[in-house]
Amino acid sequence: EPEVTQTPSHQVTQMGQEVILRCVPISNHLYFYWYRQILGQKVEFLVSFYNNEISEKSEIFDDQFSVERPDGSNFTLKIRSTKLEDSAMYFCASSEYGGGANEQFFGPGTRLTVL
Amino acid sequence: AQSVTQLGSHVSVSEGALVLLRCNYSSSVPPYLFWYVQYPNQGLQLLLKYTTGATLVKGINGFEAEFKKSETSFHLTKPSAHMSDAAEYFCAVSDRLTGTASKLTFGTGTRLQVTL
Repeated sequence: EPEVTQTPSHQVTQMGQEVILRCVPISNHLYFYWYRQILGQKVEFLVSFYNNEISEKSEIFDDQFSVERPDGSNFTLKIRSTKLEDSAMYFCASSEYGGGANEQFFGPGTRLTVL
Repeated sequence: AQSVTQLGSHVSVSEGALVLLRCNYSSSVPPYLFWYVQYPNQGLQLLLKYTTGATLVKGINGFEAEFKKSETSFHLTKPSAHMSDAAEYFCAVSDRLTGTASKLTFGTGTRLQVTL
């Protein structure tokens, strides 16, 4: 069964460093998302991406964040200068179709720890 | 803005007992409604969703949920809990948009514990 994959599963970095979180969405999916979950808090939307551009971004997704689909398979989230408060589980998701009714398929997440 | 409230961050039931996980939403227009489950070290998996039509929806693993517009609720139930149901359950809503990427707004989650 097709699935969304994410690498690495756990990333530890120093404050101020750049990190790139990688995702491989399901191959025929066209809509891509990043969410994050700070320990003990709810899953929060970061950004959605379609047709090689950002569709929507949340207040969390400031200038330190960027997304890219560098080739036909990967979808990346970059944090330019990490802060302690960026420590969280980051989930990538994809969907075949747009619209609110369609299922988003989630990856297993990358746990980011900023020291 | 939409929001989702899940009452009870932890719920414990005995194996074979009824499972009831509560979800209420706040939205100016009834949204699409979802329940996702997260097993340890795994991503979120869709259990069921309500978009239109019958307000009682059935999902995987014997779960079902009923959309009650008058109560702005979408509670998740299962008649008989199994040990394998132990997981974190998230209620989520999405805008009634078509043809565009549509974000999910999640509740805080409920951790279900099933005891012998």
